[in-house]
Amino acid sequence: QVHLQQSGPGLVKPSQTLSLTCAISGDSVSSNRAAWNWIRQSPSRGLEWLGRTYYRSKWYNDYAVSVKSRININADTSKNQFSLQLSSVTPDDTAVYFCARNYYYDIWGQGTLVTVSS
Amino acid sequence: EIVLTQSPGTLSLSPGERATLSCRASQSVRSSYLAWYQQKPGQAPRLLIYGASSRATGIPDRFSGSGSGTDFTLTISRLEPEDFAVYYCQQYDTSHTFGQGTRLEIK
Repeated sequence: QVHLQQSGPGLVKPSQTLSLTCAISGDSVSSNRAAWNWIRQSPSRGLEWLGRTYYRSKWYNDYAVSVKSRININADTSKNQFSLQLSSVTPDDTAVYFCARNYYYDIWGQGTLVTVSS
Repeated sequence: EIVLTQSPGTLSLSPGERATLSCRASQSVRSSYLAWYQQKPGQAPRLLIYGASSRATGIPDRFSGSGSGTDFTLTISRLEPEDFAVYYCQQYDTSHTFGQGTRLEIK
């Protein structure tokens, strides 16, 4: 049974970097069949896909145009997890952040409310 | 970017009734790369349908998906009390985008 466990701070100051981690159990971050995504949800933006990382003999990343200049998603094979870094955050980045598996999201993390505020 | 428009915004029905939810895409979604999710308050969305018409693991057969190109439908044949929630469509053809959701409420 696949499980995704999110961790990271719930409060980030404006202009700083938001960092979240998603630990995987029951699957491998370096699986040749899976993709690992970050998605957020807010009342103003609804559900918004942010990006993904996946391994197909080498690592690939795809990012949403809306955050492309500020986002980085990394895989850590030693810990079987992947992480999100979103830089230069503003209050508009306040949202519930989810990690999820694959292209249609069959497994989700529990969600983390991240508030951007001083 | 493919924009998904869901209708209606809110659907008021009674248990036992049939629900029909629509998702229209701004351009054709290739290979029916269209999924449906159910979300309840405080929870992550749950995958119901992928590939426009394939039920995800453990999803009851009262849920069905249909459509292709730009028009897709989620049908719940006989509503159970636990089906009242918000439903989203998502395309994973070109980048990934979601619809704005349909709230299914008890009448």
